[in-house]
Amino acid sequence: ETGVTQTPRHLVMGMTNKKSLKCEQHLGHNAMYWYKQSAKKPLELMFVYNFKEQTENNSVPSRFSPECPNSSHLFLHLHTLQPEDSALYLCASSRDRASLDTQYFGPGTRLTVL
Amino acid sequence: QKEVEQNSGPLSVPEGAIASLNCTYSDRVSQSFFWYRQYSGKSPELIMSIYSNGDKEDGRFTAQLNKASQYVSLLIRDSQPSDSATYLCAVNGDDKIIFGKGTRLHILP
Repeated sequence: ETGVTQTPRHLVMGMTNKKSLKCEQHLGHNAMYWYKQSAKKPLELMFVYNFKEQTENNSVPSRFSPECPNSSHLFLHLHTLQPEDSALYLCASSRDRASLDTQYFGPGTRLTVL
Repeated sequence: QKEVEQNSGPLSVPEGAIASLNCTYSDRVSQSFFWYRQYSGKSPELIMSIYSNGDKEDGRFTAQLNKASQYVSLLIRDSQPSDSATYLCAVNGDDKIIFGKGTRLHILP
């Protein structure tokens, strides 16, 4: 256990569904991240929140909507997804955005879009 | 397009030997460099970070950085079967974190 938890661990959804991924960190960190990991592709940074403010959105389609209500919780709201969005979605946290050497990953949510 | 390149492998190394993993990057303003280990079915785990030219050692791991040549490497001494994993190189610069596709390392018993 790294101190970063994600739920659910597995999710299957249709293209018309709306679902949310949840991440929680118990490390007292102030930065939280969403990454996407697809087969045969590099790990892709999607969003970064630093002290609850979104600081990076790496050209992610609007069907992915992040929410960070406090420094310990991060959500990824999903709607109208495409089959190519099927991937492992990883949450991570670090002391702050500048301290990547303190970054820990959660176990991930394996998402399948039918 | 900023890129981080790694040989995908698999890289096969006999147990007890030195495993050498390499990574090149395209963005000259990159400031910090990281190596992650990812076991199959698990999430990445940070094992080394390096910020300045030269070598940084931590146990059996040594990270090497050469900013002029834009490469960073990871050496694993006395390789163990438990080192078999995919190793991800990541580069941070200009507020962007870019990962390579990873190198699969297989330690032969």
